[in-house]
Amino acid sequence: GAVVSQHPSWVICKSGTSVKIECRSLDFQATTMFWYRQFPKQSLMLMATSNEGSKATYEQGVEKDKFLINHASLTLSTLTVTSAHPEDSSFYICSASPALAGYNEQFFGPGTRLTVL
Amino acid sequence: GENVEQHPSTLSVQEGDSAVIKCTYSDSASNYFPWYKQELGKGPQLIIDIRSNVGEKKDQRIAVTLNKTAKHFSLHITETQPEDSAVYFCAAKDGTGANNLFFGTGTRLTVIP
Repeated sequence: GAVVSQHPSWVICKSGTSVKIECRSLDFQATTMFWYRQFPKQSLMLMATSNEGSKATYEQGVEKDKFLINHASLTLSTLTVTSAHPEDSSFYICSASPALAGYNEQFFGPGTRLTVL
Repeated sequence: GENVEQHPSTLSVQEGDSAVIKCTYSDSASNYFPWYKQELGKGPQLIIDIRSNVGEKKDQRIAVTLNKTAKHFSLHITETQPEDSAVYFCAAKDGTGANNLFFGTGTRLTVIP
């Protein structure tokens, strides 16, 4: 149980295009989903927290107009990188927390490697 | 906000030996401390966690200890095997209720056969 999937697993795009990444909780409902970015040999940095049906909360320094997050259902959140540039190339990882009061665990997806040419 | 420090950054052990990774945190209100294993090109996998009302937890070869007074917690892996080689991250859940996790900088563990 507690499986989180991401799609696509990798994507290569041209500079200036937009890329959408999907995060799904496959066997549980997730009140909250989190989006992280990880550069090579570095730790995970939280970008934003999204709650189903409400606007995402972005961490300081993360441009909300560039990284659009939609959490339309209890099993799906999407991250759209708009007008991507080479510096946006990174490993993007989502996680989901079950919709249970007081539940602490976050279950992570396998990640999406974005390369912007 | 919460600040998590992790040491060492790299660790090499002989197969069969034990490995210990240590983390400290700054927010005394943090109450949940998971450990994740991340293999190359994959997402982090939860391997063990501990809540603030417990001092130690063990799951087969893996154990975690928590010292709330000193605000540090440690991961212990005994009888290491080559498949334990990976990057390990500690994390702490902040006390704001937002359920955010703050990660340490990671430890690259290499188990030498």
